[in-house]
Amino acid sequence: GENVEQHPSTLSVQEGDSAVIKCTYSDSASNYFPWYKQELGKRPQLIIDIRSNVGEKKDQRIAVTLNKTAKHFSLHITETQPEDSAVYFCAASSPNSGGSNYKLTFGKGTLLTVNP
Amino acid sequence: DTAVSQTPKYLVTQMGNDKSIKCEQNLGHDTMYWYKQDSKKFLKIMFSYNNKELIINETVPNRFSPKSPDKAHLNLHINSLELGDSAVYFCASSQARSGTGTEAFFGQGTRLTVV
Repeated sequence: GENVEQHPSTLSVQEGDSAVIKCTYSDSASNYFPWYKQELGKRPQLIIDIRSNVGEKKDQRIAVTLNKTAKHFSLHITETQPEDSAVYFCAASSPNSGGSNYKLTFGKGTLLTVNP
Repeated sequence: DTAVSQTPKYLVTQMGNDKSIKCEQNLGHDTMYWYKQDSKKFLKIMFSYNNKELIINETVPNRFSPKSPDKAHLNLHINSLELGDSAVYFCASSQARSGTGTEAFFGQGTRLTVV
């Protein structure tokens, strides 16, 4: 089955700096890669996702890149703010034999702390 | 008008008891899930249902029995609770789309504590 590795497990940056979180996946059939943000005591919420037919996607201060050959994808947050502090999860999803995706495999999370 | 709602939010119970967690989504999604988040924050899929049909059972002990009476509801019943079952359980839903995944929407979580 799919295995998703995520690094680093903790990341501390100064406000205004950039933060980068990296993930690798094992299943070459995976075709959907979302990133979730989970604030303390809250539910995970999608912040950005990318599909395997795209190499890069950007949404304001957040960008994700995907390298299918190397099977890795990364989250980039620029101009970090204290409210970006949270646990970030990458995930990968692949279709089953019927052609639909029914399972998200998550990385172990990165605790991002943005210091004012 | 919460999209994915689960009850209860907190559940404290003794070892050996049986408990249920309920989940409902009003997004019209076909697929629903149960995830377990342990103390180290690791999110692991337990079950996946599509249109009331079990699709994925990730080697979860058979003390855990999900039930989907209709595609908007996915409940989780746990028998003979053990200390190791203590965790936060998240229900989620997504819309099935051929050939790719789509955003999963999570409920607020149920923090289960077994004492």
